[in-house]
Amino acid sequence: AQTVTQSQPEMSVQEAETVTLSCTYDTSESDYYLFWYKQPPSRQMILVIRQEAYKQQNATENRFSVNFQKAAKSFSLKISDSQLGDAAMYFCAYRSVIQGAQKLVFGQGTRLTINP
Amino acid sequence: DAGVIQSPRHEVTEMGQEVTLRCKPISGHNSLFWYRQTMMRGLELLIYFNNNVPIDDSGMPEDRFSAKMPNASFSTLKIQPSEPRDSAVYFCASSMTGVIGNTIYFGEGSWLTVV
Repeated sequence: AQTVTQSQPEMSVQEAETVTLSCTYDTSESDYYLFWYKQPPSRQMILVIRQEAYKQQNATENRFSVNFQKAAKSFSLKISDSQLGDAAMYFCAYRSVIQGAQKLVFGQGTRLTINP
Repeated sequence: DAGVIQSPRHEVTEMGQEVTLRCKPISGHNSLFWYRQTMMRGLELLIYFNNNVPIDDSGMPEDRFSAKMPNASFSTLKIQPSEPRDSAVYFCASSMTGVIGNTIYFGEGSWLTVV
């Protein structure tokens, strides 16, 4: 079974600075999807960014980018120019492409605090 | 487009009562997921459906929990009888299997408190 590990329970960053959240995963599959979701205090799960494993190019969405290292099974999230609204729990997640196994497997989450 | 719609948003009930959570997935999506989030266990999958058929229910805690998907636009998660340890946020999510991106979209969650 796949597992996802986020080794940083909490992180903090100064407003306007850059922060990187770590994620590693374990799988024997060669094709899969990886995601970062943001959960603000409202508890809504908001998609931040996704990465297809077959793509070598790292995904980017405005201030959010990932460093995808397939061989190392690492998928970190970089937030540039941090804003107060970025404060939230961030979850890394893995999704298989195999029929019948396409659930999301989540890491434990990293709580990000933005200091003004 | 409307997202995943869940109801109720908040429910407080007494131990032993039946609780029914409802979900309307995004139109056209063929996979539906029920997740539960607690401080102790994080986000855990309870059950997921593909084309209205349960595919993986290994996360359903016990016989007190049941889920149905009678059609492509509606699903329920029922707890009977409810217990205080069932207090959690329950998320419904949906996706279109096979579409590039394969993203799962979440509803806003149902906050359940069992006293």
